[in-house]
Amino acid sequence: GAVVSQHPSWVICKSGTSVKIECRSLDFQATTMFWYRQFPKQSLMLMATSNEGSKATYEQGVEKDKFLINHASLTLSTLTVTSAHPEDSSFYICSASKAGAWETQYFGPGTRLLVL
Amino acid sequence: GENVEQHPSTLSVQEGDSAVIKCTYSDSASNYFPWYKQELGKRPQLIIDIRSNVGEKKDQRIAVTLNKTAKHFSLHITETQPEDSAVYFCAAYQGGSEKLVFGKGTKLTVNP
Repeated sequence: GAVVSQHPSWVICKSGTSVKIECRSLDFQATTMFWYRQFPKQSLMLMATSNEGSKATYEQGVEKDKFLINHASLTLSTLTVTSAHPEDSSFYICSASKAGAWETQYFGPGTRLLVL
Repeated sequence: GENVEQHPSTLSVQEGDSAVIKCTYSDSASNYFPWYKQELGKRPQLIIDIRSNVGEKKDQRIAVTLNKTAKHFSLHITETQPEDSAVYFCAAYQGGSEKLVFGKGTKLTVNP
């Protein structure tokens, strides 16, 4: 149980285009979903926290207009990188919790984004 | 805000030896401390966690200890195996901002 999927697993796009990443909890209802960014050989940096039906809470330094997050249901959250640039290239990982960050977070497999 | 320091950044042990990774946190109100294992290119997976009302927790070869007074917690892996090789992250739950703060990770290599 507690499986989280993420799609796509990797994407290559041209600079200026937008990319949407989906995060799904397959066998449980995720009250809270989290979006992280991980650079090579570095730690997980929280970008934003989203609760179903409400606006996401963004971490300091993360542009909400550039990284659009939608958590429309208890099993799906999406992250859209708008007008992507090469510096947005990274490994994006979502996680989902049955409650909040004080409970176990189950991670998706990640999406590797390369912006040319 | 919460700050989590993790040491060492790399650790190499011989198969069968024990490995210990240590983390310190700054927010005395933190009350949940999970440990994640991440193999190269894969998702982080929870291996053990501990809450502040417990001093130690064990699951087969893995144990975690928590010292609330000193604000540090440690991961102990006994009888290490090559498949234990991975990056391990500690984290602390910061109640004020309702988020997990992760350490920088420890790359563990178990040599056969």
